Amino acid sequence: GAGVSQSPSNKVTEKGKDVELRCDPISGHTALYWYRQSLGQGLEFLIYFQGNSAPDKSGLPSDRFSAERTGGSVSTLTIQRTQQEDSAVYLCASSLMGQANEKLFFGSGTQLSVL
Amino acid sequence: DQQVKQNSPSLSVQEGRISILNCDYTNSMFDYFLWYKKYPAEGPTFLISISSIKDKNEDGRFTVFLNKSAKHLSLHIVPSQPGDSAVYFCAASVKTGANNLFFGTGTRLTVIP
Repeated sequence: GAGVSQSPSNKVTEKGKDVELRCDPISGHTALYWYRQSLGQGLEFLIYFQGNSAPDKSGLPSDRFSAERTGGSVSTLTIQRTQQEDSAVYLCASSLMGQANEKLFFGSGTQLSVL
Repeated sequence: DQQVKQNSPSLSVQEGRISILNCDYTNSMFDYFLWYKKYPAEGPTFLISISSIKDKNEDGRFTVFLNKSAKHLSLHIVPSQPGDSAVYFCAASVKTGANNLFFGTGTRLTVIP
């Protein structure tokens, strides 16, 4: 597709359930990022994939969060045993080479609400 | 610990006037700075950037100023237009180390027609 695609756009779940969020980056982009924005907060870095390198997981807030990127393209962010504080907009972004001065192209995000 | 700070959550400006959005950072290792613009229900989109070797970068109505000694940057929009109404995020990165951007909390700009 022309841009970064995320699904679902909205997800409402009950506390304790697992959720999976999907991201389709721009074709040909080697770098993929996950960020989240909680209410009143800035965008918080979660995880970064670059090509076949080991992902940078330094931003994941707890071991309930994990992400994978299959075939260097589609990525799935999984949150296990969701908590109310996980409620946020989860944004995926991609860039061509993953270099520090590249601009990121963001998807529209998944609004996650944990009841 | 918020390394990039936008202390004004909102700003209202009359159409045609100048909008000035401010951003402060704490990490002296940051050497690349960007502004992103976000409309409701959309992802942020890149607006303008500046390298630490410069103190000004201009693109049409948008100019970013960098004051390294003060660890401060600002985005000027002139003349402001109603379509500029959005949330503006300041972001910073370092050339080496983790390849991710550190974002501020955003400033909601409203341009009044």
